[in-house]
Amino acid sequence: AQSVAQPEDQVNVAEGNPLTVKCTYSVSGNPYLFWYVQYPNRGLQFLLKYITGDNLVKGSYGFEAEFNKSQTSFHLKKPSALVSDSALYFCAVRDMFNAGNMLTFGGGTRLMVKP
Amino acid sequence: EPEVTQTPSHQVTQMGQEVILRCVPISNHLYFYWYRQILGQKVEFLVSFYNNEISEKSEIFDDQFSVERPDGSNFTLKIRSTKLEDSAMYFCASSGTGANTGELFFGEGSRLTVL
Repeated sequence: AQSVAQPEDQVNVAEGNPLTVKCTYSVSGNPYLFWYVQYPNRGLQFLLKYITGDNLVKGSYGFEAEFNKSQTSFHLKKPSALVSDSALYFCAVRDMFNAGNMLTFGGGTRLMVKP
Repeated sequence: EPEVTQTPSHQVTQMGQEVILRCVPISNHLYFYWYRQILGQKVEFLVSFYNNEISEKSEIFDDQFSVERPDGSNFTLKIRSTKLEDSAMYFCASSGTGANTGELFFGEGSRLTVL
């Protein structure tokens, strides 16, 4: 079984400050990890993924995430937040041996960036 | 840039009626999925489809639901005898194979309202 936890329903940050959105996962094998963003009344947009290799992955819009195997975490980060980053962020995981190829999503974290 | 398209964007139906939600996945993708999201909350997996058959389905995807790829481009979700609790945003997604496996591309969603 595969699962994802996003412990924060909402993260508030001031524009220009660094942001972190937390994610922990559970899989039986090696994980494939993803972050998606959802703007109001829109679909999910892919931000970045970790498959293998360097633990720090960089993605769209200046976001990055760090894979930590010992802590089973994949926190999303950005050095300097923008008001336009305000959205709903979803972490997702797939066990590399998952036959159906499907992603399991966390509950989502609403990011509010204030001017 | 290729994208997943979904129709209709919004459908209102009476309880007990059947609805069909349509999706056109990205043309060279081989895996197709349906997810749903209730009231902007958690994104829940329904079903994955590969090589003209269901590869995995969740507990939500019971006999009320079915999927079909009637031709080379469309992927449909049929919901029979709709219930109030079927009201949700339904997202179609597709993904490729090989190195791109796991990165899902989502459509903008079809909002289903059951009255």
